[in-house]
Amino acid sequence: RKEVEQDPGPFNVPEGATVAFNCTYSNSASQSFFWYRQDCRKEPKLLMSVYSSGNEDGRFTAQLNRASQYISLLIRDSKLSDSATYLCVVNRIYQLIWGAGTKLIIKP
Amino acid sequence: DARVTQTPRHKVTEMGQEVTMRCQPILGHNTVFWYRQTMMQGLELLAYFRNRAPLDDSGMPKDRFSAEMPDATLATLKIQPSEPRDSAVYFCASGLVGVSSNQPQHFGDGTRLSIL
Repeated sequence: RKEVEQDPGPFNVPEGATVAFNCTYSNSASQSFFWYRQDCRKEPKLLMSVYSSGNEDGRFTAQLNRASQYISLLIRDSKLSDSATYLCVVNRIYQLIWGAGTKLIIKP
Repeated sequence: DARVTQTPRHKVTEMGQEVTMRCQPILGHNTVFWYRQTMMQGLELLAYFRNRAPLDDSGMPKDRFSAEMPDATLATLKIQPSEPRDSAVYFCASGLVGVSSNQPQHFGDGTRLSIL
């Protein structure tokens, strides 16, 4: 079992819809959680950190469920520009462990 | 905004040649990571340094790859001799990393390497 697992997708979603994806992690000692976004052949960019109480940044909401060991990302009112691969990242001692990413395609 | 700087952005060379990729991490970050990404794979961690000391290079083919951090402002990744299967995008990232929690990593633009 991988340390960080994501559904690879692709998720095909109409513009304006709400989409959510989860990411599960196996290390119960993990303390830091992030969502990154990666556009095709470009560098991953930090989308948002994930805090214990959940947090929101505009149309994006991230949540952490420690009991079930997963984090989630919700995107409301999706835009064409949201099309990308979303990477879930969880810390281990001295490094971050990356999920393989979930591909999101927003259709007009 | 501070950025991680990688050079070169693109490199095309023939099989057997030496390739050197360079990375200037963000000032104040204590950890530097080297990743490789191909079309078919996710991010693959090759090696990382904490306070310039190599912590883990188990992801790197030892016979041909080497990673160093000669000073706090420069990390290098070398491939010698290069092979076509090394063709990929190589990313450098830096961050503030601790035992129990980490700050997010920041990535350079990557080096797009093609070995003919």
